Amino acid sequence: SYELTQPPSVSVSPGQTARITCSGDALPKQYAYWYQQKPGQAPVLMIYKDSERPSGIPERFSGSSSGTTVTLTISGVQAEDEADYYCQSTDNSDTWVFGGGTKLTVL
Amino acid sequence: EVQLVESGGDLVQPGGSLRLSCTASGFTFSSHDMNWVRQAPGKGLEWVSYISSSGRAISYADSVKGRCTISRDNAKNSLYLQMNSLRAEDTALYYCARVGVAFENGLDYWGQGTLVTVSS
Repeated sequence: SYELTQPPSVSVSPGQTARITCSGDALPKQYAYWYQQKPGQAPVLMIYKDSERPSGIPERFSGSSSGTTVTLTISGVQAEDEADYYCQSTDNSDTWVFGGGTKLTVL
Repeated sequence: EVQLVESGGDLVQPGGSLRLSCTASGFTFSSHDMNWVRQAPGKGLEWVSYISSSGRAISYADSVKGRCTISRDNAKNSLYLQMNSLRAEDTALYYCARVGVAFENGLDYWGQGTLVTVSS
């Protein structure tokens, strides 16, 4: 079955830039999405179609894609950005998959 | 305001059945594809099932295929997940999630989840 691979954890100091990667063989052909989940809360869509930002999502969140890897970049990380982040994609038009998640720690 | 409210979660014995529901409001339910996504305690997100806006296209994760049935009633603004032959590994918080207006827009709204516990 199709898998998306994320690092389990990323740590960054406030004001620095955090980069969270997600790798998958189908990513060159399928869009990637990023979700933020804080403890006890439902996930929130942060990035869609690799790099589009939904309304209401701060500009410091951005997405990019290169080959089989997509990256979520958080510029000027704030304490409130500490959360779990999940990438998601599809391996065809109606089968969905999530990455294992990355815990972002703001030091 | 878009709202998705899940219900039906419960404590059930292994081999048992449950029917989860998700009631939608604040948007035109019949225009959106929907998904069920689950999260085991302390674990990551796992996609469970997808249904198109019309109900004609359906898919399942391998982990639930043959044991779960997704359905929807657009007249009642409701999404369902019938779960049979439940196993301990099905224990999780089950979210319903809306696909944006276009399929490529991702899961733009999520409910707060309903808890399924499978244990004897």
